[in-house]
Amino acid sequence: EAQVTQNPRYLITVTGKKLTVTCSQNMNHEYMSWYRQDPGLGLRQIYYSMNVEVTDKGDVPEGYKVSRKEKRNFPLILESPSPNQTSLYFCASSFSWQYQETQYFGPGTRLLVL
Amino acid sequence: AQTVTQSQPEMSVQEAETVTLSCTYDTSESDYYLFWYKQPPSRQMILVIRQEAYKQQNATENRFSVNFQKAAKSFSLKISDSQLGDAAMYFCAYDDGNEKLTFGTGTRLTIIP
Repeated sequence: EAQVTQNPRYLITVTGKKLTVTCSQNMNHEYMSWYRQDPGLGLRQIYYSMNVEVTDKGDVPEGYKVSRKEKRNFPLILESPSPNQTSLYFCASSFSWQYQETQYFGPGTRLLVL
Repeated sequence: AQTVTQSQPEMSVQEAETVTLSCTYDTSESDYYLFWYKQPPSRQMILVIRQEAYKQQNATENRFSVNFQKAAKSFSLKISDSQLGDAAMYFCAYDDGNEKLTFGTGTRLTIIP
């Protein structure tokens, strides 16, 4: 089954404790992206990657890191999480970065930083 | 910067009736794509329908259709014969090829049995 998977789905952590949210897709997509969803703000892009070893900042990259060592994986790293990073996070992928390509979303990861 | 506005934070409709969700956007581009995504209580983002800006014909997917008014920069979603399973948050999104989707703030749709 073609899908985007994220782990964990739910995470409670404390301020300053490094964490990684994994994202993996099995569709051989070149383009991958991370969004965060907050009430009243919709989804905002954090980082994106157009291909292996190619990543760039989105609209709200502060406090986050990403890497793209393999085509299928695009982990989101919070080196020192803070309470303002409490949010719902989505990973998405598409065949390419071309605008006509539909993005497919993972199931979401709900993060609470205490 | 492109913006997407959904002016209706919440909408409700009787089961089997028709409802229209509004979306406007701001852009100076001529080529772009517009999307409606559905987010049910499971939080999964599900693509409902998409529209290519260069196409004058409005997109349709079963009970879901759009009214795309390019000059007015309006992209509304019409849901016909509303069903209980249509209850969700609906997001309008815009893509002009700048490596991201720009989302509206969402409209929460409630279906009244």
